[in-house]
Amino acid sequence: GQNIDQPTEMTATEGAIVQINCTYQTSGFNGLFWYQQHAGEAPTFLSYNVLDGLEEKGRFSSFLSRSKGYSYLLLKELQMKDSASYLCAAMDSNYQLIWGAGTKLIIKP
Amino acid sequence: GAVVSQHPSWVICKSGTSVKIECRSLDFQATTMFWYRQFPKQSLMLMATSNEGSKATYEQGVEKDKFLINHASLTLSTLTVTSAHPEDSSFYICSAGTGTVMETQYFGPGTRLLVL
Repeated sequence: GQNIDQPTEMTATEGAIVQINCTYQTSGFNGLFWYQQHAGEAPTFLSYNVLDGLEEKGRFSSFLSRSKGYSYLLLKELQMKDSASYLCAAMDSNYQLIWGAGTKLIIKP
Repeated sequence: GAVVSQHPSWVICKSGTSVKIECRSLDFQATTMFWYRQFPKQSLMLMATSNEGSKATYEQGVEKDKFLINHASLTLSTLTVTSAHPEDSSFYICSAGTGTVMETQYFGPGTRLLVL
């Protein structure tokens, strides 16, 4: 079956760095997405990886290892506004997004 | 950037009534629109995928006669929850895509439905 695993909740301190891991199993693979979702709002796109390696975009970076079925989202210089849920989603061979349950990130002062 | 709107953002209705939710792509033509449902503290659950001018493809377990989807144009899709019941109370989110793998889906702001 198809499956996405990511931690349910993480806590970090303002100004620090946090890494949110995601492992996936899908029928075929057409890329890995990360989304940010604030409470009560729709998800917003953060990153897309289809090749192995690290993609850096400002304070956020995303890494993919296709051979390991593994990705992580790295958030640097954490700000209070980064408190949100972070959703990992893998696109399968039918171009369907398979969603993880999300990781709730709590930022403490 | 691509903008997707949803209307209404909030709806409260009595049990047994029908509710229509609109999803519009404002500055691009959406080849495909997706409807999701999200219960509190749970992930997005894809309900159906619709392509303009054709019948929607529903995910397993989603009643197509209860959740009517119409994708009449490249910029508008509607979801009608017929004879809504309290268990249908949820956060309904649409997204629109242009059909290119490299591009992400663009999400609407969501509609929160509360059925009393």
